[in-house]
Amino acid sequence: DGGITQSPKYLFRKEGQNVTLSCEQNLNHDAMYWYRQDPGQGLRLIYYSQIVNDFQKGDIAEGYSVSREKKESFPLTVTSAQQNPTAFYLCASSDLSDRVYGYTFGSGTRLTVV
Amino acid sequence: GENVEQHPSTLSVQEGDSAVIKCTYSDSASNYFPWYKQELGKRPQLIIDIRSNVGEKKDQRIAVTLNKTAKHFSLHITETQPEDSAVYFCAASQYNAGNMLTFGGGTRLMVKP
Repeated sequence: DGGITQSPKYLFRKEGQNVTLSCEQNLNHDAMYWYRQDPGQGLRLIYYSQIVNDFQKGDIAEGYSVSREKKESFPLTVTSAQQNPTAFYLCASSDLSDRVYGYTFGSGTRLTVV
Repeated sequence: GENVEQHPSTLSVQEGDSAVIKCTYSDSASNYFPWYKQELGKRPQLIIDIRSNVGEKKDQRIAVTLNKTAKHFSLHITETQPEDSAVYFCAASQYNAGNMLTFGGGTRLMVKP
């Protein structure tokens, strides 16, 4: 998956349940990001992390949590506080140390509330 | 924070014609402007990008222009082909300050054979 792997590809969540989306990269990128994409819309930033053990809220962080215990991993937890979690979730990474700034995206996780 | 507006939301062209998609941004500190192509159900793919010290960049049939004064940038696709049909997103960031991209709302390009 081009160096960044998201799993699972499809995820179903029951009301009141927390779920965790996995994102792993082997590109040695410093920065990692989580975006949410709703049908027919652009990508909105949920959380980002520039270094291990540090992360910052994006524009729509409410109802989500993350961790960055390893450089390679940036899991996203969708909590029961997220009122409308059905969406396509994309993880991305970028190397802040060189002069190539484009993101590498994972293949995405499609989350549906049942 | 940054706000990126993208127009049009849909664009239909005949094969062989040119297509132009326009974006405006609000934060004058933004200095990196990539364009992504996303096919249905797939991940976005970077197709071209430009930094604020450059006014234009070309890659075969694709070009991007940037007007820093007016805070707008455009994607130009010449000699369109059916495989160019997809959703295109513009974005903006400060590449030297965490590189958090703010995306436009997307343009659905349809190329009719």
